[in-house]
Amino acid sequence: AQSVSQHNHHVILSEAASLELGCNYSYGGTVNLFWYVQYPGQHLQLLLKYFSGDPLVKGIKGFEAEFIKSKFSFNLRKPSVQWSDTAEYFCAVNPDRGSTLGRLYFGRGTQLTVWP
Amino acid sequence: EAQVTQNPRYLITVTGKKLTVTCSQNMNHEYMSWYRQDPGLGLRQIYYSMNVEVTDKGDVPEGYKVSRKEKRNFPLILESPSPNQTSLYFCASSPRDSGGSYEQYFGPGTRLTVT
Repeated sequence: AQSVSQHNHHVILSEAASLELGCNYSYGGTVNLFWYVQYPGQHLQLLLKYFSGDPLVKGIKGFEAEFIKSKFSFNLRKPSVQWSDTAEYFCAVNPDRGSTLGRLYFGRGTQLTVWP
Repeated sequence: EAQVTQNPRYLITVTGKKLTVTCSQNMNHEYMSWYRQDPGLGLRQIYYSMNVEVTDKGDVPEGYKVSRKEKRNFPLILESPSPNQTSLYFCASSPRDSGGSYEQYFGPGTRLTVT
């Protein structure tokens, strides 16, 4: 079955450590890619998105992600995390074709805990 | 302020008692969707709507109904709720072609408990 995989369920880091969260998908063809963040008790907010152009995408709060088409990956990175980055992070894919136009498929999420 | 609103935010109900969770957006978006979020499972799509009077099943539609009579509203109906529908529900909307990205905007969530 087609899917979105996030490799880490829970990541624990100290402040100032570097972060990389993995995301792989199995949909072929053109895709739009997203990372959403959910802070405790809040709704999902968009961190960044890719749908064309430069495969290195910069988002809010110092996050960036790289789309590697050959690897079907869209990993999220941040050079130096802060305590306020503690949240759950979701990768999502929109296969841009036919009946799935507009639909988002989510990974299971990665809980990031940053210790001060 | 551009937003997606949901009501109620919290609801505790009993098995079999019909309920409706409302969703409204003020951004004139064509596309609206309902998701449920469960621990370890991420978000799964229940139903979506590409426009008024156009709805379709997502990945987990069983036990739910929706309607889209107006562009701004997309209520989620549980005709006979069961305990396995205890979950956190999110409504989302998106312009039909937001530059090709179909970025979705999420509501604040509705935490439903069915006893």
